[in-house]
Amino acid sequence: GENVEQHPSTLSVQEGDSAVIKCTYSDSASNYFPWYKQELGKRPQLIIDIRSNVGEKKDQRIAVTLNKTAKHFSLHITETQPEDSAVYFCAASTGANSKLTFGKGITLSVRP
Amino acid sequence: EAGVAQSPRYKIIEKRQSVAFWCNPISGHATLYWYQQILGQGPKLLIQFQNNGVVDDSQLPKDRFSAERLKGVDSTLKIQPAKLEDSAVYLCASSPSRASRDTQYFGPGTRLTVL
Repeated sequence: GENVEQHPSTLSVQEGDSAVIKCTYSDSASNYFPWYKQELGKRPQLIIDIRSNVGEKKDQRIAVTLNKTAKHFSLHITETQPEDSAVYFCAASTGANSKLTFGKGITLSVRP
Repeated sequence: EAGVAQSPRYKIIEKRQSVAFWCNPISGHATLYWYQQILGQGPKLLIQFQNNGVVDDSQLPKDRFSAERLKGVDSTLKIQPAKLEDSAVYLCASSPSRASRDTQYFGPGTRLTVL
């Protein structure tokens, strides 16, 4: 089955700096890659996603890039703010039922 | 629109007891998912329903876990008997269909503690 790994497991940045979170996946048939943000004690919420026919997607301060050859995708957050502090999960979708396999998550801390 | 609803929000039981969780998906969503999220890990899919039929239950421990989605709307997930390692947050999610283009929307989860 699909295996999704996230690196690093924790990331601390100064407010205003950029943050980059990387994920790798194993199944070359995966075709959809969402990113979810989960604040402490709350539900995961989709923040951005990308499909396998696109190399990059941007939404205000957030962007995602996909490298299908290397089987990795990255989340880029610019001008970080304290409210960006949360756990970020990447996932990959595979198969006819679009099964999502999640990574273990990365804890992002933005220092004021 | 109303989001995915789950109850209860918290449950504490002793090992070998039974427990049931309830989920009401977003109105009109045909696909419903149950995930298990152990502390410090990402959600793991337990079972996926398309309307009232199961399309994936490959990671459901069927000796103790069961789930149903009668009438293709609400769903219940049951654990009988519970083990210590079942302590986790159980998340329900729904999407309009099982197509990858459809976003999965998560409920608030039920935090289960097994003592």
